Amino acid sequence: KQEVTQIPAALSVPEGENLVLNCSFTDSAIYNLQWFRQDPGKGLTSLLLIQSSQREQTSGRLNASLDKSSGRSTLYIAASQPGDSATYLCGISSGSARQLTFGSGTQLTVLP
Amino acid sequence: DAGVIQSPRHEVTEMGQEVTLRCKLISGHNSLFWYRQTMMRGLELLIYFNNNVPIDDSGMPEDRFSAKMPNASFSTLKIQPSEPRDSAVYFCASRPQETYPYEQYFGPGTRLTVT
Repeated sequence: KQEVTQIPAALSVPEGENLVLNCSFTDSAIYNLQWFRQDPGKGLTSLLLIQSSQREQTSGRLNASLDKSSGRSTLYIAASQPGDSATYLCGISSGSARQLTFGSGTQLTVLP
Repeated sequence: DAGVIQSPRHEVTEMGQEVTLRCKLISGHNSLFWYRQTMMRGLELLIYFNNNVPIDDSGMPEDRFSAKMPNASFSTLKIQPSEPRDSAVYFCASRPQETYPYEQYFGPGTRLTVT
């Protein structure tokens, strides 16, 4: 059974800092990994999807990496802004249904 | 395309009442997932359909929960009778035909409060 852990649970940084969010998983037989953003009381916004054959994906100030052998992914946010404040979730697609198993998320606060 | 559509967006009901949550898939998608999000347990999979057929319902918490997919574009999740511990945000997600990379697209969720 896939288990996903996200560290840290909460992170507070001043505006402009670069930061890294971590996601680890126990079963390396994955199809893809998706990073999502969730604002309070809102739904999930997909940020990046990394296929199992890829090492990283970039979108604007976001860069996600994947290391299947070690069961780790990171989400790098460059030049953070107060608008980046949200909870970030990683979801691992694995299993016969290719369903997503989620971590508990990292709550990010970027201080102006 | 409008994306995955869920209704209602908010539902408040009393314990013991029947609740029906609805989901409309993105056109052309053939897989549907229902997830539940709570503070205690995070996001967890309830049930998965492929081509209208329930494939894995092992995440459905108990017999009070049932899900159907009467056609290729629509699904319902029913709770009968509802209990306060069912209070959560319920998301559905759809996925295109079984082609890599199997990306899921989420609806906005239904926030259910059972008093």
